[in-house]
Amino acid sequence: AQKITQTQPGMFVQEKEAVTLDCTYDTSDPSYGLFWYKQPSSGEMIFLIYQGSYDQQNATEGRYSLNFQKARKSANLVISASQLGDSAMYFCAMLKTSYDKVIFGPGTSLSVIP
Amino acid sequence: DTAVSQTPKYLVTQMGNDKSIKCEQNLGHDTMYWYKQDSKKFLKIMFSYNNKELIINETVPNRFSPKSPDKAHLNLHINSLELGDSAVYFCASSQRYGGISTGELFFGEGSRLTVL
Repeated sequence: AQKITQTQPGMFVQEKEAVTLDCTYDTSDPSYGLFWYKQPSSGEMIFLIYQGSYDQQNATEGRYSLNFQKARKSANLVISASQLGDSAMYFCAMLKTSYDKVIFGPGTSLSVIP
Repeated sequence: DTAVSQTPKYLVTQMGNDKSIKCEQNLGHDTMYWYKQDSKKFLKIMFSYNNKELIINETVPNRFSPKSPDKAHLNLHINSLELGDSAVYFCASSQRYGGISTGELFFGEGSRLTVL
């Protein structure tokens, strides 16, 4: 069965520091996609970054990078130079390509401290 | 122009009532979804439609009935509302290339349903 695990319910980081949010996944499919979404307190869901299972390089988008370790089935999100506006819930998600189904982890609440 | 729009944004109703949430996307996407986010923020997929055809139905009670009149619209009707139905319901859409979804979801703003 597919599953996404985010073991950190809550995290704190000092402004301007880097932070890593953990995500591990479980799938037997060779083809899948991994995503991170941000949900600020206002409630909207914002796409941050994507990593395909066959991608050789780690994905990066501005201050976001995805540390993809396929053998360990982990897809951690790294946020560099944290800003106050980064305070939000962060969800790791996985697409089972053959099934068009995107499932989400339980989320990590990140608080950036000034 | 809002890419994925849901109405209403807030819904407060009594147990036993029937209510609907509407969703429209103007992105030209083929696939649309309903997700439920509970009070603990857990997001669970409910339904997925591809070009008006139901492709995912995740063991959701029969009281929930999605309808897709065309590929730009996916509505959710809920009969006999229960307290446990209180949640935020998100509509989302995604594009497909070569018959495969990209998986990148474009979400609506969510509809907060409160059942009293």
